[in-house]
Amino acid sequence: DTEVTQTPKHLVMGMTNKKSLKCEQHMGHRAMYWYKQKAKKPPELMFVYSYEKLSINESVPSRFSPECPNSSLLNLHLHALQPEDSALYLCASSQPASGRADEQFFGPGTRLTVL
Amino acid sequence: LAKTTQPISMDSYEGQEVNITCSHNNIATNDYITWYQQFPSQGPRFIIQGYKTKVTNEVASLFIPADRKSSTLSLPRVSLSDTAVYYCLVGDPGAGNMLTFGGGTRLMVKP
Repeated sequence: DTEVTQTPKHLVMGMTNKKSLKCEQHMGHRAMYWYKQKAKKPPELMFVYSYEKLSINESVPSRFSPECPNSSLLNLHLHALQPEDSALYLCASSQPASGRADEQFFGPGTRLTVL
Repeated sequence: LAKTTQPISMDSYEGQEVNITCSHNNIATNDYITWYQQFPSQGPRFIIQGYKTKVTNEVASLFIPADRKSSTLSLPRVSLSDTAVYYCLVGDPGAGNMLTFGGGTRLMVKP
């Protein structure tokens, strides 16, 4: 299984809502990532988990809260978001020890709209 | 981190070879060069990675000159389905910093 799955596919939420994005992989990868991508822009790194521990936080506002319950799952908890947070949220995973150094496998993303 | 510069967009026709160049003047000794492809509303997909000279796989070739200050992704005989955005990334996978996407090149393949 070489797939990264993300749910939901689409999410519409109000600024006072609390919601969560979910990412799952069963490739045995020990690094997982959250990216944010605005229209016609490149993906921007938000968080990196390595061996279930948060290793990189790119100064992301606290209204985004990542969680890595186990090596296969990655969540992104959302609370009190702003309309400018509307974007495609991408999850990726990689296995640093693989033959291809740091090849990341991306999920299809969650399209988030904040009203 | 090495900054990358790519053309914003390129046009081509079906059956042609397409070469997309990425400049990375301050590439470090341990840095690798990686290219990803992204279709609309999908996550990026790994295409190819190299350190120096030439790398070839089933979908593309990557040419890296001796000074490594640039690299060229070569797509042989493109088809309409190769219309996508192509990103060049430079970084040291061992340091976990191959994570910054450049601006990307929007390739349009016409019939």
